[in-house]
Amino acid sequence: DGGITQSPKYLFRKEGQNVTLSCEQNLNHDAMYWYRQDPGQGLRLIYYSQIVNDFQKGDIAEGYSVSREKKESFPLTVTSAQKNPTAFYLCASSPRLAAYNEQFFGPGTRLTVL
Amino acid sequence: GQNIDQPTEMTATEGAIVQINCTYQTSGFNGLFWYQQHAGEAPTFLSYNVLDGLEEKGRFSSFLSRSKGYSYLLLKELQMKDSASYLCAVLGGSYIPTFGRGTSLIVHP
Repeated sequence: DGGITQSPKYLFRKEGQNVTLSCEQNLNHDAMYWYRQDPGQGLRLIYYSQIVNDFQKGDIAEGYSVSREKKESFPLTVTSAQKNPTAFYLCASSPRLAAYNEQFFGPGTRLTVL
Repeated sequence: GQNIDQPTEMTATEGAIVQINCTYQTSGFNGLFWYQQHAGEAPTFLSYNVLDGLEEKGRFSSFLSRSKGYSYLLLKELQMKDSASYLCAVLGGSYIPTFGRGTSLIVHP
């Protein structure tokens, strides 16, 4: 079955710690994205990647970092510099950046900072 | 930049019809998406419009007017399982979707 997976589903961390969220897809998609969703808010773009070894900042990149060493994987690190990291994080992929750019979403990771 | 506006919450009765509106301002336009998101789950694709007019897909239809910067999602024969958030997303000149805040639809018996 083709799809996009995220792990873990729930994650707790102490203030001041870095944490890495996993995102893997086997859809052979070139483009991948990370979004943050807060209650009552839409999806806000953190980072996106069009191709391996390339990624671009989104609207709220401060306090986050990513890597794209493999086509299938796009991990997101939430650093201690992110002032308000508690949120629902969604990873998505699409064939490429183009018209009819339907995105496929992973199940999400809910991060809670204690 | 882009600005997308949709109502925060709507309620409707099972079996009825509901229309969820989305207005947008964007620099460059390459289409508009509607996604459905149940609480705590991933958004799932409902529709895509790039030309003016109505696209029908079963109980769901989506309409676009590019000149007015306006779209709506029409849900017919509402079912309890349609209770969810509905996200409007505009594909701008960069081909990166920008999402609205979502409309929470509550369907009651």
